[in-house]
Amino acid sequence: LAKTTQPISMDSYEGQEVNITCSHNNIATNDYITWYQQFPSQGPRFIIQGYKTKVTNEVASLFIPADRKSSTLSLPRVSLSDTAVYYCLVGLSTLGRLYFGRGTQLTVWP
Amino acid sequence: ETGVTQTPRHLVMGMTNKKSLKCEQHLGHNAMYWYKQSAKKPLELMFVYNFKEQTENNSVPSRFSPECPNSSHLFLHLHTLQPEDSALYLCASSPPDQAQYFGPGTRLTVT
Repeated sequence: LAKTTQPISMDSYEGQEVNITCSHNNIATNDYITWYQQFPSQGPRFIIQGYKTKVTNEVASLFIPADRKSSTLSLPRVSLSDTAVYYCLVGLSTLGRLYFGRGTQLTVWP
Repeated sequence: ETGVTQTPRHLVMGMTNKKSLKCEQHLGHNAMYWYKQSAKKPLELMFVYNFKEQTENNSVPSRFSPECPNSSHLFLHLHTLQPEDSALYLCASSPPDQAQYFGPGTRLTVT
């Protein structure tokens, strides 16, 4: 089971770019890297998924180096509503090989 | 809205009660999951169903009994629960080995 390591918390201000890095040293060849956002008492919300290099969508970018032992979620110009817990997951979902960990509490200040 | 619905959203039950949680998705996904999230703890995967077949049971006590009658519906039957079972129960669905889409959860309180 590929476990991940993320910072417990991060602080930022509105309008700044936030980068959250996740370490996953024992990632398997077939594993994907997926990031989720969770607000209190709600289900996690899918943000972005990638396998290697760079992936970008309308809300975030995901950078994955060649060795795939880490990944960085980049949130451009955060707002107060981006305050949430962000989880990095590595694995294959239907095999149950996913570990959420404690995530990173991001707090965005005015 | 993720396309995954859960009912009820809140449930209070006594330790001798029997209740069921329901999850429904019409996203065409073949895999469905139950998770438990206790206060200030990581999400714990409980069960995985792939094409209606249970593929994972993470040592969940038998007082939790899942049922997947078809690829769109997933139930979690509860009986003789303990107060420590109070938590947010989350359902998710996904295409094979793709990102999971979560429902809003059921907040369960066992008294």
